[in-house]
Amino acid sequence: QKEVEQNSGPLSVPEGAIASLNCTYSDRGSQSFFWYRQYSGKSPELIMSIYSNGDKEDGRFTAQLNKASQYVSLLIRDSQPSDSATYLCAVNMFSGGYNKLIFGAGTRLAVHP
Amino acid sequence: ETGVTQSPTHLIKTRGQQVTLRCSSQSGHNTVSWYQQALGQGPQFIFQYYREEENGRGNFPPRFSGLQFPNYSSELNVNALELDDSALYLCASSLASGSGETQYFGPGTRLLVL
Repeated sequence: QKEVEQNSGPLSVPEGAIASLNCTYSDRGSQSFFWYRQYSGKSPELIMSIYSNGDKEDGRFTAQLNKASQYVSLLIRDSQPSDSATYLCAVNMFSGGYNKLIFGAGTRLAVHP
Repeated sequence: ETGVTQSPTHLIKTRGQQVTLRCSSQSGHNTVSWYQQALGQGPQFIFQYYREEENGRGNFPPRFSGLQFPNYSSELNVNALELDDSALYLCASSLASGSGETQYFGPGTRLLVL
């Protein structure tokens, strides 16, 4: 079992729709979760961080966390063509005095006009 | 812009050569982590430097080594390059090494090994 799993996609949604991206993780002790957006040929850009169970909203983005189910999701409302990118789910693993991010392989999102 | 810079942006090397990649962390950040991202994959943790000491390492061979300087900038060195080392190398800085600290990525260095 991979430590962080995401559907590779592509997830294709029409402009204006809600895009739903999902992620599961294996380490029950993880406390910090991040969503990064990565455009082709660019580096990851932080979109959201979430630490507590429930929803966290920031503009058109909502992150959802369920630690009991080891599940994190990202909702993008009113999707725009500019949202077309790969979305990386990252889980912070802290041990031995340092933290490292464990990434999923990413979900490719395509928003079509 | 995250304030994290990396150089060079692109690099072409041949098998067996050595390479040094550089990273300047965001102002006030004392922790630098390095990641390797192969095509179509998520970034893989290489190692982390905190106050000039390596304090964590992923599953990478010893030919991957690093340094952190008093100004918290960092270098990644790779010896005896192999074809599979071709990847995007990412540097991320964070405020501290504690749990939950957000890591901010630089633009990356794309390395091609021929």
